[in-house]
Amino acid sequence: NAGVTQTPKFRILKIGQSMTLQCAQDMNHNYMYWYRQDPGMGLKLIYYSVGAGITDKGEVPNGYNVSRSTTEDFPLRLELAAPSQTSVYFCASSAQDSLNTEAFFGQGTRLTVV
Amino acid sequence: AQTVTQSQPEMSVQEAETVTLSCTYDTSENNYYLFWYKQPPSRQMILVIRQEAYKQQNATENRFSVNFQKAAKSFSLKISDSQLGDTAMYFCAFVDSGNTPLVFGKGTRLSVIA
Repeated sequence: NAGVTQTPKFRILKIGQSMTLQCAQDMNHNYMYWYRQDPGMGLKLIYYSVGAGITDKGEVPNGYNVSRSTTEDFPLRLELAAPSQTSVYFCASSAQDSLNTEAFFGQGTRLTVV
Repeated sequence: AQTVTQSQPEMSVQEAETVTLSCTYDTSENNYYLFWYKQPPSRQMILVIRQEAYKQQNATENRFSVNFQKAAKSFSLKISDSQLGDTAMYFCAFVDSGNTPLVFGKGTRLSVIA
């Protein structure tokens, strides 16, 4: 079982560059999330999606964009990378019905902006 | 908006002893789900235990149990017979039955000392 797959695992970007963090899940989950985790801190929600074609902002959406054209994929786009976006990024998915509420996480992407 | 508060940034416990991590939350919903996730140094997010709000019985998973106090909106995690492998960040999380995202507390760093 692949679960939630994030790529890449590590990336170094220069200030002003752009990149897309990929996230795919094979569990047919309707909910998908992007979180960032700064060193020693908790998880802050960037964007989430409750289904294909639907996305919503979380706590810290500035500087990011997402799309959800399919159930499986939920890419996160960074435009004009800034040092403040240095963080570990986690993608997660869940079915979020009454029986299956557990969120499954990818292994994270460590991004450094220099 | 729902919020989750973990008031203990760091805790330590002697190996084989018992430790309790605190979590409180705020919601106006009656039907929701609570989780404890563990994040070891590997960064992987691992579900430790889950509690459905409509269930009065406290959830247990081997050495892990919760004390769910719905009226007080409290959801503490008890780890019995602590092991060195329990050293990790522990996050409390909440989701309700509507189209709202999974919300995390800021985490408690637990160190198990030999």
